[in-house]
Amino acid sequence: AQSVTQLDSQVPVFEEAPVELRCNYSSSVSVYLFWYVQYPNQGLQLLLKYLSGSTLVKGINGFEAEFNKSQTSFHLRKPSVHISDTAEYFCAVSRSARQLTFGSGTQLTVLP
Amino acid sequence: DAGVIQSPRHEVTEMGQEVTLRCKPISGHNSLFWYRQTMMRGLELLIYFNNNVPIDDSGMPEDRFSAKMPNASFSTLKIQPSEPRDSAVYFCASGPGGSNTGELFFGEGSRLTVL
Repeated sequence: AQSVTQLDSQVPVFEEAPVELRCNYSSSVSVYLFWYVQYPNQGLQLLLKYLSGSTLVKGINGFEAEFNKSQTSFHLRKPSVHISDTAEYFCAVSRSARQLTFGSGTQLTVLP
Repeated sequence: DAGVIQSPRHEVTEMGQEVTLRCKPISGHNSLFWYRQTMMRGLELLIYFNNNVPIDDSGMPEDRFSAKMPNASFSTLKIQPSEPRDSAVYFCASGPGGSNTGELFFGEGSRLTVL
């Protein structure tokens, strides 16, 4: 079985500041890793994914994440956030489409 | 290109009534998923179809819930009879044909309130 832990339920940050949203996973086998974003009253949208290869993954809207196998982490980062980045962010892990497991989510609030 | 389309976006009903939620996946996608999102339990996978066939329905809460996929472009999730604890946002998601990685495309959700 696999599981995902998002360590922070809420992250407030000022506009133009850097942000890191933390994600740790547990799995006994190789997995695929994802970050999804959910804006208010909308569905989830894929931000970025790690399937294989380079451990630094770049996504949309200036976000990036680094896969760290030894620490079983997949933290999401952005060097300078905007008001429009305010949303809920979900880390997810899978071995296959039917086994996609989501974390509990982190609410990012960007303050002016 | 149209994304996953869900209807209705909002549904308010009374306990005991039948509720039907509808989903049109992205054309060409072979996999379809129904998820439920609540504050208490987060995102839960209810059922997964591949090529219109239900593969895993272990997440369906109880017999009051049923899902069908009569063809590649349409799926329904039915709750009969509905109960207040079924209040949630229900998402439909589809996955690209041949991809087994878990990358999904979500609809905007159907917010269900059962009074």
